[in-house]
Amino acid sequence: EADIYQTPRYLVIGTGKKITLECSQTMGHDKMYWYQQDPGMELHLIHYSYGVNSTEKGDLSSESTVSRIRTEHFPLTLESARPSHTSQYLCASSRGEGQYNEQFFGPGTRLTVL
Amino acid sequence: AQTVTQSQPEMSVQEAETVTLSCTYDTSESNYYLFWYKQPPSRQMILVIRQEAYKQQNATENRFSVNFQKAAKSFSLKISDSQLGDTAMYFCAFNDYKLSFGAGTTVTVRA
Repeated sequence: EADIYQTPRYLVIGTGKKITLECSQTMGHDKMYWYQQDPGMELHLIHYSYGVNSTEKGDLSSESTVSRIRTEHFPLTLESARPSHTSQYLCASSRGEGQYNEQFFGPGTRLTVL
Repeated sequence: AQTVTQSQPEMSVQEAETVTLSCTYDTSESNYYLFWYKQPPSRQMILVIRQEAYKQQNATENRFSVNFQKAAKSFSLKISDSQLGDTAMYFCAFNDYKLSFGAGTTVTVRA
């Protein structure tokens, strides 16, 4: 399996709480991504980064924010969680240039907001 | 915007038999890459196979092969000699400058 890690794997939290989903990779990849995936559904890109201090919003609008202070670390934060944020969040990374390069995925964080 | 369509939400196949998953996409680009990813239950998504649009030869990886029809914008995946471990959700993905995924096809291999 790929060297990309996400914590926690499961999180149940109440409305209004601030949460941070962690994602780390040890492959030295420049590019990192966050996807949102409802059960049995397609993936939607919500954030991506092409390197340190680079972050961009993806196709699906999200109230979450991300940061990229270190190459290996790409955390996602929700300032005030709501039930509509309930979903699975997948982190991925890939090498620098080229459309050829595959993305490596973490195991995901399944978030439930009560 | 690129779109990727997987028209089969679910498929079931007997162990050792063959199953084909369909995927169509829409793009105005001439060079791009296509991928099939596998997401087993409660496990990480992994790459199954990839295809470059400029290559006419269909990609093959062991029991997995594709039928790439560029003019028709079709990219189907064939799983031969299906095994129980092939049970997973399969996503077709298109990459020109970013990766776009289809809705997925759940494949169940029956013993």
